[in-house]
Amino acid sequence: SQTIHQWPATLVQPVGSPLSLECTVEGTSNPNLYWYRQAAGRGLQLLFYSVGIGQISSEVPQNLSASRPQDRQFILSSKKLLLSDSSFYLCAWSGINHYGYTFGSGTRLTVV
Amino acid sequence: EDQVTQSPEALRLQEGESSSLNCSYTVSGLRGLFWYRQDPGKGPEFLFTLYSAGEEKEKERLKATLTKKESFLHITAPKPEDSATYLCAVQEISSGSARQLTFGSGTQLTVLP
Repeated sequence: SQTIHQWPATLVQPVGSPLSLECTVEGTSNPNLYWYRQAAGRGLQLLFYSVGIGQISSEVPQNLSASRPQDRQFILSSKKLLLSDSSFYLCAWSGINHYGYTFGSGTRLTVV
Repeated sequence: EDQVTQSPEALRLQEGESSSLNCSYTVSGLRGLFWYRQDPGKGPEFLFTLYSAGEEKEKERLKATLTKKESFLHITAPKPEDSATYLCAVQEISSGSARQLTFGSGTQLTVLP
């Protein structure tokens, strides 16, 4: 069966520090991968998606970037965090036979 | 213009009091409409996918229906454990192989014992 792992679960970082959130999927090949952000009490905002290794599409201009160095690995990064980057970040995957998403457990990022 | 609008934003029910959540959408071509349940501090959990108007799906106390403009999530005789935020999302045919989902802002359901 397919599983998705996202870490860390919580993170407190100072303003101006770098960020690296990692997401991996097991049990499937060539998945679509997605990074979403969710503000408190709000819906999900799509940040990046990837349909293959090295292929990244950005939906919202911001202080963040994404990379997909391996088929089932998706990384969300920032060189210098802003206070406004504080949020709940979610990774998700979908497959050719699975149009909906399966989400990871999320990372609560607080920038102080 | 919002593509997906959910109402109400919050709903408080007594245990056993049935109700419905609404998700209205505006897309040029719908591939699928998705319902998710999200508990605080966790990732959304998949509930249903609906593909065409008139389709219905059920799971325990939940039943999802779809028309050409909206979807309803009916909750029959809810229990406190049904308390969560329910998210609706649409996938357009034009999304192609990217299969992006556009989410509504959710309905926060509280079921009181």
